[in-house]
Amino acid sequence: GAGVSQTPSNKVTEKGKYVELRCDPISGHTALYWYRQSLGQGPEFLIYFQGTGAADDSGLPNDRFFAVRPEGSVSTLKIQRTERGDSAVYLCASSLTSSGATGELFFGEGSRLTVL
Amino acid sequence: SQQGEEDPQALSIQEGENATMNCSYKTSINNLQWYRQNSGRGLVHLILIRSNEREKHSGRLRVTLDTSKKSSSLLITASRAADTASYFCATVTGGGNKLTFGTGTQLKVEL
Repeated sequence: GAGVSQTPSNKVTEKGKYVELRCDPISGHTALYWYRQSLGQGPEFLIYFQGTGAADDSGLPNDRFFAVRPEGSVSTLKIQRTERGDSAVYLCASSLTSSGATGELFFGEGSRLTVL
Repeated sequence: SQQGEEDPQALSIQEGENATMNCSYKTSINNLQWYRQNSGRGLVHLILIRSNEREKHSGRLRVTLDTSKKSSSLLITASRAADTASYFCATVTGGGNKLTFGTGTQLKVEL
């Protein structure tokens, strides 16, 4: 597809379960970002990939959160032992920028996670 | 943490009126961007202004940047009902590559 694709669009899980959220960026975009957005708030930065490596993971809230991008394209955000406070919309974005000041980000529609 | 704060938090206007939203930020920036988000959807990039620019136009959008006051404004002229959305400013700071978003302004344009 032409845009950033995120799956699933909705995920309901129980407290304590493991969750994976997938992001398929725009082809050729080297930079990939994960953000988390709670209701009525702006997106909160989680992690940024440049190619296969996590260039900045300072926004991951704790060690239950982990993200990978093994081939420099698709990325998976993994959340272990989910808690009710993890409920949010998880947004993925990609960008052409390979270094330096960030240009325009292209966002997916998000994955809405609800932890019961 | 949020770098920017938008003001007002919510704005309701009539179609045809102009809408002005303001963004204040805390630290020096490389550039500032404005994004739009329709309810339940992803964000869409509107415009980017670099730290050495003072004003930029794109269609009905006009963005200003005052680095001495650490603030920016987004003006939407001749608003339409379809402009109803949340608008966020986002900044890139230092040598980093991450965008830090503000808290957003909810704009409602009524017919």
